[in-house]
Amino acid sequence: DIQLTQSPSFLSASAGDSVTITCRASQGVSSYLAWYQQKPGKAPKLLIYAASTLQSGVPSRFSGSGSGTEFTLTISTLQPEDFATYYCQQFYSYPLTFGGGTKVEI
Amino acid sequence: QIHLQEPGPGLVKPSETLSLTCDVSNYSISSGSYWGWIRQPPGKGLEWIANIYHSGSTYSNPSLRSRFAISVDTPQNQFSLRLSSLTAADTAVYYCVRAFSYNSRGDFFDYWGQGTLVTVSS
Repeated sequence: DIQLTQSPSFLSASAGDSVTITCRASQGVSSYLAWYQQKPGKAPKLLIYAASTLQSGVPSRFSGSGSGTEFTLTISTLQPEDFATYYCQQFYSYPLTFGGGTKVEI
Repeated sequence: QIHLQEPGPGLVKPSETLSLTCDVSNYSISSGSYWGWIRQPPGKGLEWIANIYHSGSTYSNPSLRSRFAISVDTPQNQFSLRLSSLTAADTAVYYCVRAFSYNSRGDFFDYWGQGTLVTVSS
């Protein structure tokens, strides 16, 4: 199984900040990586797929980059509604796996 | 807009079996796409369980395959997950999802149900 390690696990920030979350894969996944946002009590929401393609309707302040084993999710100009937990997911091979999550809090 | 709806929360006893059904609306399952289940124990991360195509072709997590079975009912436009030999460790929110197959490789998840809490307790 491909293990995904996210860092940091917790991130304290303020509205207006730019933040970056890293996801490292235990083996190369090319660009087959997605990012999700989850708010308390809600289902996750797809933000980015194929490492850098923004899902329709997602604000452009979210961006993704990387390939192989190292990926980043950047949120520029953090908005109050962005405080949530973020997960990466690889879809290079089965079983599909998720990172452990990064909680972005005030 | 595709809509997925899981049943209400469930309470089951250890060793029992539970079936979850996801109703899909605004999209015909037989049109294509994979459909799947993901779970999330309280306060923890996400775990993929299995995906199924309308034809019945499946992919599943080997760690759960022996106890969890996914199926599809195209006339009813729904798909299901049967969970057997349940233990407290299976207590989780179970999400049904649409799994988008990318470049005929793996899948990411672009539509999610609201989730249903399954509690395993005596």
